[in-house]
Amino acid sequence: DARVTQTPRHKVTEMGQEVTMRCQPILGHNTVFWYRQTMMQGLELLAYFRNRAPLDDSGMPKDRFSAEMPDATLATLKIQPSEPRDSAVYFCASGFGGASLNEKLFFGSGTQLSVL
Amino acid sequence: DQQVKQNSPSLSVQEGRISILNCDYTNSMFDYFLWYKKYPAEGPTFLISISSIKDKNEDGRFTVFLNKSAKHLSLHIVPSQPGDSAVYFCGARTNAGKSTFGDGTTLTVKP
Repeated sequence: DARVTQTPRHKVTEMGQEVTMRCQPILGHNTVFWYRQTMMQGLELLAYFRNRAPLDDSGMPKDRFSAEMPDATLATLKIQPSEPRDSAVYFCASGFGGASLNEKLFFGSGTQLSVL
Repeated sequence: DQQVKQNSPSLSVQEGRISILNCDYTNSMFDYFLWYKKYPAEGPTFLISISSIKDKNEDGRFTVFLNKSAKHLSLHIVPSQPGDSAVYFCGARTNAGKSTFGDGTTLTVKP
């Protein structure tokens, strides 16, 4: 049963520390998305990739956030330095890209980040 | 500038009755609309979708209606069941593949 895998599931860190979240998309999927969900907020798009190339990261605070896909099986989201306002659940999702396809996304279980 | 809006944060219905969740959008370039359901401590899961060239899509108890002129879509669940209690996200996708979501509506189905 193919699934998107995110690690860690939970992360507690202190303000100023670097945080790295990892995502393994479903094999064969060529688009990867990072979303953030805060308390009482919806799913906020941070960045997305197609064929490992970043297509849009306009939703991401550039000064502290960075997203990469070192290879087709790994996507990373880094926060450096982290701040308490970054506390949220971060979701990774993958899917098949293609303008003519119904691109439903498959989400991971999320990384619950708490920055103290 | 939020392009997908779900104006009702919550909805409560009685088991067996109809649940109607609404969604409005502003971007005419969206080509697909998708509904996702999310349970606590889990990631969202796909529920049902509709192409921008359709006005209705049905899958079992779930039906999505699209009114392009009004830039409005709705998800109907009939009959509602307690297991349907979850957060429902309305999502929209451009032909470039970018998927944007609303803030979600928390549905509570009472036994």
